[in-house]
Amino acid sequence: DTEVTQTPKHLVMGMTNKKSLKCEQHMGHRAMYWYKQKAKKPPELMFVYSYEKLSINESVPSRFSPECPNSSLLNLHLHALQPEDSALYLCASRPTGRGTEAFFGQGTRLTVV
Amino acid sequence: AQSVTQPDIHITVSEGASLELRCNYSYGATPYLFWYVQSPGQGLQLLLKYFSGDTLVQGIKGFEAEFKRSQSSFNLRKPSVHWSDAAEYFCAVGGPSGYSTLTFGKGTMLLVSP
Repeated sequence: DTEVTQTPKHLVMGMTNKKSLKCEQHMGHRAMYWYKQKAKKPPELMFVYSYEKLSINESVPSRFSPECPNSSLLNLHLHALQPEDSALYLCASRPTGRGTEAFFGQGTRLTVV
Repeated sequence: AQSVTQPDIHITVSEGASLELRCNYSYGATPYLFWYVQSPGQGLQLLLKYFSGDTLVQGIKGFEAEFKRSQSSFNLRKPSVHWSDAAEYFCAVGGPSGYSTLTFGKGTMLLVSP
């Protein structure tokens, strides 16, 4: 199994809603990432988890709250988002050893209305 | 600080013609370099990677890339483009391990004309 699975694929939420994005991998990767990608732009790093601990937060607003409950699962909790937060949210995982690459999920297309 | 420059925002190539996408990087140590491809609304798929050794690396779908340290470049090539190659291509640089972050270029959109 070499997949990173993200659910849901599409999400529409209001600015007062609370929702969560889910990312799952069963490759034993102990580094997991959240990226945000706006249209026609490259992915921008949001968070990095290493061994289930948050190691990098790229100054992301607190309305985005990541969680890594176990080595296979990564969540992104969303609350009080703004329309400008609409984007494709990508999850990735990577082995922690040298000479490895990141595997990306298919993303969640989020629309905030 | 690490950075990646992809100077071409769009490239149009005729089907069957050859392709070269340019990538220049800046990295303080030995770079780990990647090319990813993204179809609209999809995730990123790894085409190829360079860590060390032979500077010409082969990837999936008939792509190859050449690492040139003296020019800080890692250009992607394909001898004959297919219509299905139309997509966005991202070059990325990062460190050796899973703890390190990837920095992406702005991407090059490849259009394939019949």
